[in-house]
Amino acid sequence: GAVVSQHPSWVICKSGTSVKIECRSLDFQATTMFWYRQFPKQSLMLMATSNEGSKATYEQGVEKDKFLINHASLTLSTLTVTSAHPEDSSFYICSASNLLSGNTIYFGEGSWLTVV
Amino acid sequence: AQSVAQPEDQVNVAEGNPLTVKCTYSVSGNPYLFWYVQYPNRGLQFLLKYITGDNLVKGSYGFEAEFNKSQTSFHLKKPSALVSDSALYFCAVRANQAGTALIFGKGTTLSVSS
Repeated sequence: GAVVSQHPSWVICKSGTSVKIECRSLDFQATTMFWYRQFPKQSLMLMATSNEGSKATYEQGVEKDKFLINHASLTLSTLTVTSAHPEDSSFYICSASNLLSGNTIYFGEGSWLTVV
Repeated sequence: AQSVAQPEDQVNVAEGNPLTVKCTYSVSGNPYLFWYVQYPNRGLQFLLKYITGDNLVKGSYGFEAEFNKSQTSFHLKKPSALVSDSALYFCAVRANQAGTALIFGKGTTLSVSS
């Protein structure tokens, strides 16, 4: 199956700093990428949908100025958590799809963010 | 708006016994339905999907799921559980529209005892 890679897998940052998480589709061009957030033992909550070359569409309740999403190319999307606070600590997962992948959406391995 | 319900937080089965993890959905139009599995501190692994065709879908690791339109259900099944099947299972739905995201159920923890 298609491979989606996330980096970093784990990151610890200080309160008030910003951290960037990358999501790459390694063997296909991802026309659409999705960012999810997951708290321990809970479901995945959709944060935003990004299409290459256009602004991301954020779900209700997600602060777009805090969670900056960029999808500058067909193989890379980035999530930047700005001015991070401890409550932003979470597991962030990206996923990607394209028209050729049918209706299957492929997921990255996720990124653990801990804000201290 | 689409939604998914997984009524059980946890399912416990003995190794070798059949297992069922329940899922019901709500979506406008024809649903695209998926099952994913998540191991601790890992991303999601795709198990199977229903788009159209046969109601019984076979997927990875011996899992299968049956689409029941009248009951709006898509229960995950396996004839003989393994201890290694113990994990968190998510049912997901997406609308029949390109570029739409998956909406997930809350997840069901499967625990298989030896």
